[in-house]
Amino acid sequence: DQQVKQNSPSLSVQEGRISILNCDYTNSMFDYFLWYKKYPAEGPTFLISISSIKDKNEDGRFTVFLNKSAKHLSLHIVPSQPGDSAVYFCAASGLFGNEKLTFGTGTRLTIIP
Amino acid sequence: GAGVSQSPSNKVTEKGKDVELRCDPISGHTALYWYRQSLGQGLEFLIYFQGNSAPDKSGLPSDRFSAERTGGSVSTLTIQRTQQEDSAVYLCASKVGDTQYFGPGTRLTVL
Repeated sequence: DQQVKQNSPSLSVQEGRISILNCDYTNSMFDYFLWYKKYPAEGPTFLISISSIKDKNEDGRFTVFLNKSAKHLSLHIVPSQPGDSAVYFCAASGLFGNEKLTFGTGTRLTIIP
Repeated sequence: GAGVSQSPSNKVTEKGKDVELRCDPISGHTALYWYRQSLGQGLEFLIYFQGNSAPDKSGLPSDRFSAERTGGSVSTLTIQRTQQEDSAVYLCASKVGDTQYFGPGTRLTVL
């Protein structure tokens, strides 16, 4: 039962354009969402997060949008840069006592110079 | 550095052997998590430590897996009688506020 889904395993975007990564979730108890970026042979690096009381959070080139009614969030990167090429994981946590993260399977983003 | 560290970075073992994986969390972080990532999968929660409370072991896949956290800091994940399906990257994270920060992981290969 995949509670967090990233339906696009890969995405290629031209340098300078906008990258949009999508994530869907099924558990309405999730109230905090995060995006992590992962390079090969490294652990995931925290990128940006959003609480369920907000619908948008922005940090430099990165913006996360949350649509609670659709149980959907997206990460926008603009402008995309070659260093953004990595695997991006969407994660969610809720008031389950342990606040563990439930991860999607990731989207491999490739920025084309 | 001040990040989460894990050792070893790579471990190759034979089926049936026991292995120990170590995690040094960020100083002062009271919450510590273990996850694993199998090939082609997302990260899967294994176990959670919070301060002096009893750990949440709800994610451990079998009784061959155990973990401890000594002195509220360093944690060791032990896998007994390893099986080939245990092959994965094992990641440790410590938490401040709502955000978990990950170590580089240990890649375990069971032959």
